Amino acid sequence: EVQLQQSGPEVGRPGSSVKISCKASGYTFTDYVMNWVKQSPGQGLEWIGWIDPEYGSTDYAEKFKKKATLTADTSSNTAYIQLSSLTSEDTATYFCARRPAGSSFDYWGQGVMVTVSS
Amino acid sequence: DIQMTQSPASLSASLGETVTIECRASEDIYNGLAWYQQKPGKSPQLLIYNANSLHTGVPSRFSGSGSGTQYSLKINSLQSEDVASYFCQQYYDYPDTFGAGTKLELK
Repeated sequence: EVQLQQSGPEVGRPGSSVKISCKASGYTFTDYVMNWVKQSPGQGLEWIGWIDPEYGSTDYAEKFKKKATLTADTSSNTAYIQLSSLTSEDTATYFCARRPAGSSFDYWGQGVMVTVSS
Repeated sequence: DIQMTQSPASLSASLGETVTIECRASEDIYNGLAWYQQKPGKSPQLLIYNANSLHTGVPSRFSGSGSGTQYSLKINSLQSEDVASYFCQQYYDYPDTFGAGTKLELK
């Protein structure tokens, strides 16, 4: 069974960074690109970027290029997103999602709520 | 970026009713469209991909159709467990973009 298990909720102060994990199981981690999606409170969904765990290659949506850093550890089958220089606009739920080649997101993590507060 | 206009924003329907949600893309997305269901406090779950293909394990009362810039999700014989928000996503063109969502409630 494919599972994406994300880490717990985070609280960060303005200007700080947080790092969220997404541990994959039930499939070969390096066979699929991992994506990250942001959902602001009561809002829709925004694609942040993807990482290819096999090669470490990444791509980001323009608005997240200076905000997010995606990494992956193939030894633990875990993908990470680090959010830097936190502001109130970063308060949201962040999801990891697996993408088969040329398709949509077939499995999602449960989401991590990030709250930015002083 | 391709804009996805989803309608209606909210919808109230009775059990057993047929419901249709629509998404319009700002340009042709060549069936690169998915539909997701999201219940409160949960992650989105894939229902339909490639505009009309049912994801594994999704009940057959869900169906997708459309082409070009116009796509729709139909739910036949609405069940109580279908109360949720629904989102469309285009993945034909970079970057992926999503519709604003439709909140489905029981009448």
